[in-house]
Amino acid sequence: DAKTTQPTSMDCAEGRAANLPCNHSTISGNEYVYWYRQIHSQGPQYIIHGLKNNETNEMASLIITEDRKSSTLILPHATLRDTAVYYCIVRVGEYGNKLVFGAGTILRVKS
Amino acid sequence: EPEVTQTPSHQVTQMGQEVILRCVPISNHLYFYWYRQILGQKVEFLVSFYNNEISEKSEIFDDQFSVERPDGSNFTLKIRSTKLEDSAMYFCASLLLAGKTQYFGPGTRLLVL
Repeated sequence: DAKTTQPTSMDCAEGRAANLPCNHSTISGNEYVYWYRQIHSQGPQYIIHGLKNNETNEMASLIITEDRKSSTLILPHATLRDTAVYYCIVRVGEYGNKLVFGAGTILRVKS
Repeated sequence: EPEVTQTPSHQVTQMGQEVILRCVPISNHLYFYWYRQILGQKVEFLVSFYNNEISEKSEIFDDQFSVERPDGSNFTLKIRSTKLEDSAMYFCASLLLAGKTQYFGPGTRLLVL
C-alpha cells in the first residue's frame, strides 16, 4: 500500500471549514483514498473514500487532485466534537485488505 | 444503524493468563479483523479472517494469538499467555465485501499486570 504524508496537527475555529491535506504521491491506479478518524481512544470511524472523483457525504467532502497524488478532506462546518485524529489511508479496493494506519493529523477545533 | 460490538470494554489480567476478547461483527459482513493500539501509538493490524480462515496476519500475531468464529455471530481473539506488552486497546472490525468499508467496534482495553 502507498504511503501517505499528513501534517502532524492543525487547528480550526468552530463553525469554519476544516481542510485536512494528504500527500500520496506513489498511489497506484487501483488504490483508493480512505479517511478515518479516531476520537480519543474510540474505535476508528469511517468518514469517506474515493478513487479519482470528488466525493461528498453527510460528514465530509473529499477532493482528489487530477493526478491523484494528493487529496483534501473537508469538514464544512467543524464543531468541537470533530476534534480527533484524522487518518488518510490508501489501499487497494479489491479484496478485503487491511488498513495501514499512520500517525494521522490531530485536528483541534477551538471555540 | 448496525454496529460492531465488543466485550468486555475493559479487561485486567495477570501476566501469563489467557484472555479471550469477543466481537460481534455486523451481520452479513464477510471479512473480520483485529487491530490493536498501544497507548500513544498507531493503530496496528493483527489479523484478517475470511471464509473461516486467516487470510493475512502481521508479525505481531504470533503463536500466542488465535482467532475463531465459533458460531455465526461471534469473532474472538485469544491470547494464550499474556505478556505486559500485550496491554493495549484491541479493536475488531468487519467488512461486507471487498472494496467496501471496514467498520470498527469501540474496542477492549486490555491491561496486563
